[in-house]
Amino acid sequence: SQTIHQWPATLVQPVGSPLSLECTVEGTSNPNLYWYRQAAGRGLQLLFYSVGIGQISSEVPQNLSASRPQDRQFILSSKKLLLSDSGFYLCAWSGWGSDYGYTFGSGTRLTVV
Amino acid sequence: SQQGEEDPQALSIQEGENATMNCSYKTSINNLQWYRQNSGRGLVHLILIRSNEREKHSGRLRVTLDTSKKSSSLLITASRAADTASYFCATGSGGSNYKLTFGKGTLLTVNP
Repeated sequence: SQTIHQWPATLVQPVGSPLSLECTVEGTSNPNLYWYRQAAGRGLQLLFYSVGIGQISSEVPQNLSASRPQDRQFILSSKKLLLSDSGFYLCAWSGWGSDYGYTFGSGTRLTVV
Repeated sequence: SQQGEEDPQALSIQEGENATMNCSYKTSINNLQWYRQNSGRGLVHLILIRSNEREKHSGRLRVTLDTSKKSSSLLITASRAADTASYFCATGSGGSNYKLTFGKGTLLTVNP
């Protein structure tokens, strides 16, 4: 069966520090991968998605970047965190085609102080 | 931008009652999906309804879709305290399911 792992679960980082959040998927090949951010009491905002190794699409201009160095690995990074980067970050994967739901990781709660 | 908008924002009911949540969207879609999120956790996919379907059932869940009104509803029958969570609708459009757009969610509280 397919599983998705996301870590760490919580993170407190000072302003200006770097960030690296990792997400890996097991049990499937060539998944579509996504990074979402959820602000408190808000819906999910799509940050990045990837349809293959090295292929990254950015949805909103921001202080973050994403990379997909391996087929089932998706990394969210920042060189210098801002206070506004605080939030709940969720990684997800889906199969190809229009009839697949997303499978989400358990999320990372990032607090920038 | 938000495609789906859930209504109400919050709903509180007693165990055993039915819970109905609504979702409206703006553009044409391939499908509409409902997700559940327990506090502080990731989202869990509940059900997907295609644009050419009008109703779908899964256990205690019933989803309807009215593409003419660009709206959907999620009905949870015989609710349980364990159903307490936030529920989100999400729409896939543009010829692919690569990107789902989520609403802000409905917070459902089921009181024992």
